Amino acid sequence: SQQGEEDPQALSIQEGENATMNCSYKTSINNLQWYRQNSGRGLVHLILIRSNEREKHSGRLRVTLDTSKKSSSLLITASRAADTASYFCATTPEETSGSRLTFGEGTQLTVNP
Amino acid sequence: SAVISQKPSRDICQRGTSLTIQCQVDSQVTMMFWYRQQPGQSLTLIATANQGSEATYESGFVIDKFPISRPNLTFSTLTVSNMSPEDSSIYLCSVEGPGRTDTQYFGPGTRLTVL
Repeated sequence: SQQGEEDPQALSIQEGENATMNCSYKTSINNLQWYRQNSGRGLVHLILIRSNEREKHSGRLRVTLDTSKKSSSLLITASRAADTASYFCATTPEETSGSRLTFGEGTQLTVNP
Repeated sequence: SAVISQKPSRDICQRGTSLTIQCQVDSQVTMMFWYRQQPGQSLTLIATANQGSEATYESGFVIDKFPISRPNLTFSTLTVSNMSPEDSSIYLCSVEGPGRTDTQYFGPGTRLTVL
């Protein structure tokens, strides 16, 4: 079964607004990553946050991690139409060997021009 | 990050046939993985492709259905055998490394339709 659950499943906003997506997971993790997928294409890696980190920034992206609540959020500020895509969180559970990723269900973000 | 290519990018196949998908990386990597993404769904890990040894399969996936090869550090293949319409999915390879970086980079995917 999937490790992560994301909400909302779908989000529609206007260009310039901020978009927040949430991810929850079930077991202890080594790290959590966020990916973007445009229209069924390959995944683009956005950001990785480790279990001992609480917040990370990359350009217009801000990721938080709360290991006590087993949750993470991805904030995209000043959204653009080009941000329209599906966003997935992926975790590496602590008990697994190697770097096998377990993906959440994803959030479909639509940014309207 | 590594540049990853997959062949074919898409294919339409008949029930009962097999398709081999290739994944090529422009640099040597430590780990290679194969994922499946069924229509409208998230990604599920099929197996870890181990260089020079048998792949490590996840629960629900077996070697007879999804044989995998990894002859060197830059190349891997996934075969989808004896296909049925339920195998219609996007198949993606991903890589990590060289070394343990925890970050995986994905190929563009192969969109498979089985009639």
